[in-house]
Amino acid sequence: KAGVTQTPRYLIKTRGQQVTLSCSPISGHRSVSWYQQTPGQGLQFLFEYFSETQRNKGNFPGRFSGRQFSNSRSEMNVSTLELGDSALYLCASRDGETQYFGPGTRLLVL
Amino acid sequence: GQSLEQPSEVTAVEGAIVQINCTYQTSGFYGLSWYQQHDGGAPTFLSYNALDGLEETGRFSSFLSRSDSYGYLLLQELQMKDSASYFCAARSGNTPLVFGKGTRLSVIA
Repeated sequence: KAGVTQTPRYLIKTRGQQVTLSCSPISGHRSVSWYQQTPGQGLQFLFEYFSETQRNKGNFPGRFSGRQFSNSRSEMNVSTLELGDSALYLCASRDGETQYFGPGTRLLVL
Repeated sequence: GQSLEQPSEVTAVEGAIVQINCTYQTSGFYGLSWYQQHDGGAPTFLSYNALDGLEETGRFSSFLSRSDSYGYLLLQELQMKDSASYFCAARSGNTPLVFGKGTRLSVIA
């Protein structure tokens, strides 16, 4: 099976812009989670989707949003970008207790 | 909420054994997972403990003590390629997987 894929891999934006990141889970996986990773902060949970429904949401401002489609693909959107949003954004699909991570999208906000 | 504590850095010699500890505070604890992440790479699953005791997978073992809210990852016969960050993670019921801040392991010759 193909692994989790994320697009784009790298992105440069300026403050105030918005960005949409995409994630395709492993075929057959219905649960998709998003994490933000920054140096020193580890992986911070953003949201989890299961069968197009948001099941959990992390402690992030409303500028961060997401959705999941009927084919389990997921997108996350960040509006009004801030410098502090520069990070690696990781998507993972779950099978039981195992999370399978994609390669991530590295976002740089200037 | 949930929180997991692990050392930020560990250094060990090639061929040696190293133990990375993780303590957690969470209600309704489900189990403890471990992930490895090389620089520039994505986290990859190593192990999961739902019950007390030791789980062994090749050179890696993971231990859990639910009564002590404590677990560890044991890496034996260390190799240079084991230099990476290691994260413990815990889940409770339907809550999402929460990760510790990671332990950066440096294996030296």
